Order: sequence, then structure tokens, then C-alpha cells
Amino acid sequence: DQQVKQNSPSLSVQEGRISILNCDYTNSMFDYFLWYKKYPAEGPTFLISISSIKDKNEDGRFTVFLNKSAKHLSLHIVPSQPGDSAVYFCADNLPMFSGGYNKLIFGAGTRLAVHP
Amino acid sequence: NAGVTQTPKFQVLKTGQSMTLQCAQDMNHNSMYWYRQDPGMGLRLIYYSASEGTTDKGEVPNGYNVSRLNKREFSLRLESAAPSQTSVYFCASTRTVTETQYFGPGTRLLVL
Repeated sequence: DQQVKQNSPSLSVQEGRISILNCDYTNSMFDYFLWYKKYPAEGPTFLISISSIKDKNEDGRFTVFLNKSAKHLSLHIVPSQPGDSAVYFCADNLPMFSGGYNKLIFGAGTRLAVHP
Repeated sequence: NAGVTQTPKFQVLKTGQSMTLQCAQDMNHNSMYWYRQDPGMGLRLIYYSASEGTTDKGEVPNGYNVSRLNKREFSLRLESAAPSQTSVYFCASTRTVTETQYFGPGTRLLVL
């Protein structure tokens, strides 16, 4: 049974510093991992992803690292900005080819606060 | 291009009342999904529709029904609302099984 855990419910970081958000998962094989960002009263928006065949993916200030042996991924934001303050969800994306849909298993989220 | 839209944004129901949450997408996506999000938890899948004309249960389907009206619209119905269904409901869609899901802004539901 696939599970995704984000063990830190909140994180506070000073503007300009690095934010590191962590996520642990179980039972991967052809998984594809995503990070979503969510502001209050809005839906989650896709931020960055990583395929299980890679160990790093970078997009501007955002980098996701995947450690397959530890079943751990992390999102690095450098430098952090006040506008990055949001809830970040890690999700395990399982394509169900026979069913024609993809299954997302979400972590509980980490609330990031970036202070000036 | 509006993406995924949901109505209403907020609703208060009394226990036992019924209502339908509406969702529409204009991205020509094949698959659509309904999730609920509760405090301290990630989003959990209620129902999904892999393509027009098909629907299936997700992780937490009890107390809900769905209708895939056409390719654009996917509605979620609560026949007899219960306080345990107080939550924020998100609709999502995706074009193929390997692409990311796009979410609507959510419907906040309070059942008294």
C-alpha cells in the first residue's frame, strides 16, 4: 500500500535563505513524484516533478532531489521569498494504464512561512 | 482559458440535506477527479472518471455519487449530508495518465 509522509507540518525560514521540505514514500517502482503548492482559498498548483529514473530536477529557484535507496525526496527553494509562503504537498503519481487514469497519493503537507 | 472551475465556492448545509458540487474544465482533458481535503491530511480521492461515460470509486467514496455529464463536466452529489462530510472539495483533471493533474479552486462545505 503506497504511502507518502511529510513529517514536518510547518517550516519557518528567513527571506533569502534556503527552504528544504522533505517527503518519504513507500513501495515505488515506476513512480513519478510531484510537488504542489497551495495558497489559502485556492486549489493546489503543480510546482515541479521528478521521475524515478532521475535523482535531481531543477526549475529556477526550485530543485527536487530523489534518494531512491532511502525512499526520500526533498524540495529546495533558493533563495526563499515571502511569496513562497504556502502549503507544499508532496505526491506520488502512479499511472494506472489499464484503468486510464493516474492515482495521486498525497502527503499531509508542510506549511512554509518565509519571513522578511 | 479558465482551466478547472468549481461552483459553489462555499456552502452551508444542515444534516440530511442534499446538494451537488459542479466542476467543469475547458482543457479537453480526458480524466477528471474529485478529492476532499481535511485538516492535517493530504487530499484523498473520492471518485474519478477516466473518460467520458465512465466513473469509479476512489479511496473514500461512501456518502457520495458522481456523474460525468460530458467530457467537460463532472459533478459530485451528497444525497444526505453528514457533519463528517465537512471538508474542502477539489476537482481536478488530466489529459493522459502520465501528465500532472490540474486542480480547481475548491468548494468549502460546512455541514451542521
